Amino acid sequence: EIVLTQSPGTLSLSPGERATLSCRASQSVSSSYLAWYQQKPGQAPRLLIYGASSRATGIPDRFSGSGSGTDFTLTISRLEPEDFAVFYCQHYGSSPKTFGQGTKVEIK
Amino acid sequence: EVQLLESGGGFIQPGGSLRLSCAASGFTFNSYAMTWVRQAPGKGLERVSGISASGASTYYADSVKGRFTISRDNSKNTLSLQMNSLRAEDTAVYYCAKGSQEYGYYYMDVWGKGTTVTVSS
Repeated sequence: EIVLTQSPGTLSLSPGERATLSCRASQSVSSSYLAWYQQKPGQAPRLLIYGASSRATGIPDRFSGSGSGTDFTLTISRLEPEDFAVFYCQHYGSSPKTFGQGTKVEIK
Repeated sequence: EVQLLESGGGFIQPGGSLRLSCAASGFTFNSYAMTWVRQAPGKGLERVSGISASGASTYYADSVKGRFTISRDNSKNTLSLQMNSLRAEDTAVYYCAKGSQEYGYYYMDVWGKGTTVTVSS
């Protein structure tokens, strides 16, 4: 089973700042089968990124994903007020398709 | 518009059973894998169960294996999760999610709003 470790646990930033979230896998993630989801309080998760770097439909270009192998990054270039949320990474290249524990991006 | 609407959650005593349903619309249901993901209060996401587009292939997390059964009715565009022998640790919001392809290496591209299951005496 691939274990995904996200860091930091909490990121305190101001609107307009750049956010960099990390997702590290215990084994190589095949073919960059890595997705990122955003979850706001009281809402369902929403797909942001798939294939490590492809934005889902309707996702603003301030969100970008990168990485391969065991190290992946989600970057939000300039935080908007609506971006503050919890972000999860998930691999889907083998079973079980596990999630990371999440990174909370909060307003500083 | 793609929509997923879960139902069937509620309050149940330990050892009891519940059946969750997910009504799908806005896409060709029989062409996509489907998944149940749960989130315990204040916790992260856990993929509980998945099923291929045809229903031939299923997945269960170790935490629910032997107690939960996933199924789908492609004629009614409905996904179900039969939950037996419920435990306190099954308390969570249960989300229905659409897979990005019919089986195998898929991510979840559309999520329902969730239904809450509370297991308590």
